[in-house]
Formats: sequence, structure tokens, C-alpha cells
Amino acid sequence: ETGVTQTPRHLVMGMTNKKSLKCEQHLGHNAMYWYKQSAKKPLELMFVYNFKEQTENNSVPSRFSPECPNSSHLFLHLHTLQPEDSALYLCASSQDATSGAPYEQYFGPGTRLTVT
Amino acid sequence: GQNIDQPTEMTATEGAIVQINCTYQTSGFNGLFWYQQHAGEAPTFLSYNVLDGLEEKGRFSSFLSRSKGYSYLLLKELQMKDSASYLCAVRDGAAGNKLTFGGGTRVLVKP
Repeated sequence: ETGVTQTPRHLVMGMTNKKSLKCEQHLGHNAMYWYKQSAKKPLELMFVYNFKEQTENNSVPSRFSPECPNSSHLFLHLHTLQPEDSALYLCASSQDATSGAPYEQYFGPGTRLTVT
Repeated sequence: GQNIDQPTEMTATEGAIVQINCTYQTSGFNGLFWYQQHAGEAPTFLSYNVLDGLEEKGRFSSFLSRSKGYSYLLLKELQMKDSASYLCAVRDGAAGNKLTFGGGTRVLVKP
């Protein structure tokens, strides 16, 4: 238990569906991250939020839409996804994302997404 | 940009030692992390190096040479529960706490 929870743990959706992934951290952190982990590919950073402000968008397609209403919650809204978007989506949090200090990131267990 | 290389898979025997190498090429370097990820679980933090040398934490040690763009994670007295993927991640000093990960090394510990 890392203090970062994600729901749902598994999701199957069609290409025309709209769904959302939720992440919540109970660590009092100020930065939250979305990562994508595909089979046989490195863990890939998607978005970074620091104090609710987006500080990084790693050229992610617009069919992925993040939302950070407060420092404890992070959402990833999904619409018109493609089969190649099937992957494990990991959320992480850290004390800060821009101060320069090497704060370790705490990861949630991930949402296993399958797009059919 | 960043380029991070680590072996895909390694096999070792229970009680033995395994060394996982990670080489990197970066436009800006401000530290290197090692994470452990068991199948189906979240990555968990193992170590952080920003200065050259060895950091020891119980059975796990991590080494960094900035001039060579090289790090290794040393796992001693291997246990079956050490079977997992080990992820090397480089922190880009110009981009706050942004991490770029290698592909991970899957370690299989055999009895």
C-alpha cells in the first residue's frame, strides 16, 4: 500500500465509449503524474500537475484529457480511444514537481485498460 | 532528450548476487532512481543517486558514474521475492521532477 489509489483496476471499453480513470493520493503531496506502461515499452510520462496546475504534457493525443481538481485527486478522461491505447495507466504523486529537489514518486497500482 | 538502456532480462540463483546495469545519455542530468515493480503491482522506490559513488541500503546497493553515464543496481543474497522488474529512471534537471524510464530489467530468481 503506497498511499496512492486508482480506480477502476481494470477497464474494458469500446472505441466510441467515454470513460474516466481516477487517482487519489493520501500522502499530502502537491504533485501528481499520469504514466502509460505498454507491453515491452518503457514507462512513459503523460502529464504532470503541480499544485493543481498542469506543468507537463508529453505530446499526448487529445483523446486523453486530464483533470486535477485539487492536489489529492487526478482524473484521466478517455474518449474515442484506439486499440493501441490498451495499456496499464499508472498514477503517481510526489511532494513537489518543480522545486528542484529529488522527491521520489509514489505509484498507484494502475488501471489495466483494454480498448476493443 | 534522454536515452536509457538496461538489459531486458536476467536470471540468478537464490542466495547469489545480481548486478543490473543502466546506461544513459541525457541533455540534462539531475539524478537517477531505481524502482522495483512486481508483476501487476505499482513500482516502488529503491534508491536515488545524484553524486558519483555507491549508496548501500541493506541487500540493495546502487552505483553511479556521471562521467560514464552509467549506473548499476546490485542485489545481494537474492531471495525468491526479489523476482521482479527493476526500472532505471533518470531525472532531467531542467524539467523539475520529470523522470524518463528505461525499459526495465526482469529478474528471475531460481531456487
